[in-house]
Amino acid sequence: NAGVTQTPKFRILKIGQSMTLQCTQDMNHNYMYWYRQDPGMGLKLIYYSVGAGITDKGEVPNGYNVSRSTTEDFPLRLELAAPSQTSVYFCASSLPGLAGFETQYFGPGTRLLVL
Amino acid sequence: GQQLNQSPQSMFIQEGEDVSMNCTSSSIFNTWLWYKQEPGEGPVLLIALYKAGELTSNGRLTAQFGITRKDSFLNISASIPSDVGIYFCAGQTGNQFYFGTGTSLTVIP
Repeated sequence: NAGVTQTPKFRILKIGQSMTLQCTQDMNHNYMYWYRQDPGMGLKLIYYSVGAGITDKGEVPNGYNVSRSTTEDFPLRLELAAPSQTSVYFCASSLPGLAGFETQYFGPGTRLLVL
Repeated sequence: GQQLNQSPQSMFIQEGEDVSMNCTSSSIFNTWLWYKQEPGEGPVLLIALYKAGELTSNGRLTAQFGITRKDSFLNISASIPSDVGIYFCAGQTGNQFYFGTGTSLTVIP
């Protein structure tokens, strides 16, 4: 198992550009999440998904969009990049149910710089 | 959004010392979680707590879910150099997770 993989590892964007951050998991987890982590801060939930075709907003969804067409993939889209979106983005996945819900497995992160 | 206050912000300790950190919230959570994050990596779950008053250990780590459901603490006993990292608390309510700002731990050999 590769676990949770994210691409790219690092990206520089110009203001107004768009991009998609890719996230794939091979653990057959129903739940997937996108977080952002600003320097010196904790993670903030952007969007999450409880299964294919189902997505919902987290704490900081503005400026982002997601889709979940398959169990494995959960891409995060930035349509009009802004400097405030400079951050490290982490994708995570977990199983549903009391035994597995809270055990989120995180990817290695994507560092995004918007200039 | 939910505010989780984590303290201390950073700690510098000698190898072998015990460490204590805590997390408080203005809101009630159903689950409290403690993670460790090393540079360039995603967080890794250390301990999960499911009910008020619960005390759980994982090796040298011990964590407790506060009676009010608004706080939690993490203790690390007999620290070793590989304990270095940033420790985050997180509270779960519904399908959402809220993270604290982290405690940066440095262990001096």
